[in-house]
Amino acid sequence: RKEVEQDPGPFNVPEGATVAFNCTYSNSASQSFFWYRQDCRKEPKLLMSVYSSGNEDGRFTAQLNRASQYISLLIRDSKLSDSATYLCVVGSSGYSTLTFGKGTMLLVSP
Amino acid sequence: DAGVTQSPTHLIKTRGQQVTLRCSPKSGHDTVSWYQQALGQGPQFIFQYYEEEERQRGNFPDRFSGHQFPNYSSELNVNALLLGDSALYLCASSLGVGYYEQYFGPGTRLTVT
Repeated sequence: RKEVEQDPGPFNVPEGATVAFNCTYSNSASQSFFWYRQDCRKEPKLLMSVYSSGNEDGRFTAQLNRASQYISLLIRDSKLSDSATYLCVVGSSGYSTLTFGKGTMLLVSP
Repeated sequence: DAGVTQSPTHLIKTRGQQVTLRCSPKSGHDTVSWYQQALGQGPQFIFQYYEEEERQRGNFPDRFSGHQFPNYSSELNVNALLLGDSALYLCASSLGVGYYEQYFGPGTRLTVT
């Protein structure tokens, strides 16, 4: 089983749609969780951290279920500029190393 | 506030050659991690440097080595290049080894022919 698994997509949605991405992780000792966004041929950029209580940043909502080892990202009112690959990321060791999923591609169309 | 910088941007090398990539961390950060991202994959952790020492290493062969300097900048060296080493090499910086939020540089795209 891969350490961090994501549906690679692509997810094709129209502008204004709501879209949800899911991710599972295998290491129950994982400590920190993030969603990163990566545009084509660019570096990953931190989108948001994910907390056990769930957290929201504008149109983006992230949730963590430790019991099921499951992380989600919800994007409301999708914009064309949301088109990118979304990487689920888990921190699992005391030395702050990150384990990345392969990413889920989102394509928002007019 | 200077972000993470990397050089060079692109590099083409031949099998068997050696390459050195460079990274300067974000201002105020003291920890540097290196990742390899092959096409269509997520970044894979190579190693992490803190206080000029390698603190953690991923599943990469000894051909991959690194260094951190007193000003926190870092180098990644790859010896005896293979075609499979072609990838985007990303440097990320963070504040301390126990702090997970990492900020990435633009990467160096290495092509091995």
